[in-house]
Amino acid sequence: QVQLVESGGGVVQPGRSLRLSCAASGFTFSDFGMHWVRQAPGRGPEWVAVISYDGRNKYYVDSVKGRFTISRDNSENTLYLQMNSLRPEDTAVYYCARGYFGLLTWGQGTLVTVSS
Amino acid sequence: QSALTQPASVSGSPGQSITISCTGTSSDIGAYDYVSWYQQHPGKAPKLMISDVINRPSGISSRFSGSKSGNTASLTISGLQAEDEAHYYCSSYTSSKTWVFGGGTKLTVL
Repeated sequence: QVQLVESGGGVVQPGRSLRLSCAASGFTFSDFGMHWVRQAPGRGPEWVAVISYDGRNKYYVDSVKGRFTISRDNSENTLYLQMNSLRPEDTAVYYCARGYFGLLTWGQGTLVTVSS
Repeated sequence: QSALTQPASVSGSPGQSITISCTGTSSDIGAYDYVSWYQQHPGKAPKLMISDVINRPSGISSRFSGSKSGNTASLTISGLQAEDEAHYYCSSYTSSKTWVFGGGTKLTVL
């Protein structure tokens, strides 16, 4: 069955970096666009970034532009989110999701806490 | 990239129908037929209920339906059941090639 498993979350100080991973299985990873969506405690989801099926096109929400980078390795069926210059307001559960215009499948999420 | 506007809460009795609205702009909902609706139960990941304004993914009950008029999209749930109690979020593709979510609506089944 289709499965997405995020990892790499944790507690990090402001200004530091973290890299999230999303391992995909149960479908042809290279056929699908992939997203990162985050959800701060008690808030609704916030879209973060998308990458096309071939990795050529990437788009970001304004608040993370220049700090976060989405990438993928289709040979390893893995999606990444490199997060630099982290801020307290980046604290959230980060989900990866399969699809492009509609997010068909979501992982269980990984918690990122930015705090000194 | 302002969030789409949803009512904070709606409620209905079992068997009734409810509709949740989602208002955007001519740069998102009004521009594309790429509106999605997600259901989220506490502690769980969001689940796609409707895509492309009106399409139900495989396995989603026909009690869930979507529509759009101008800059406003709507989700209707008919024959309310206890398990429908959850938060619902709309989302739309935008002219900036980004996505935007609504603030969410808490559905209470009385």
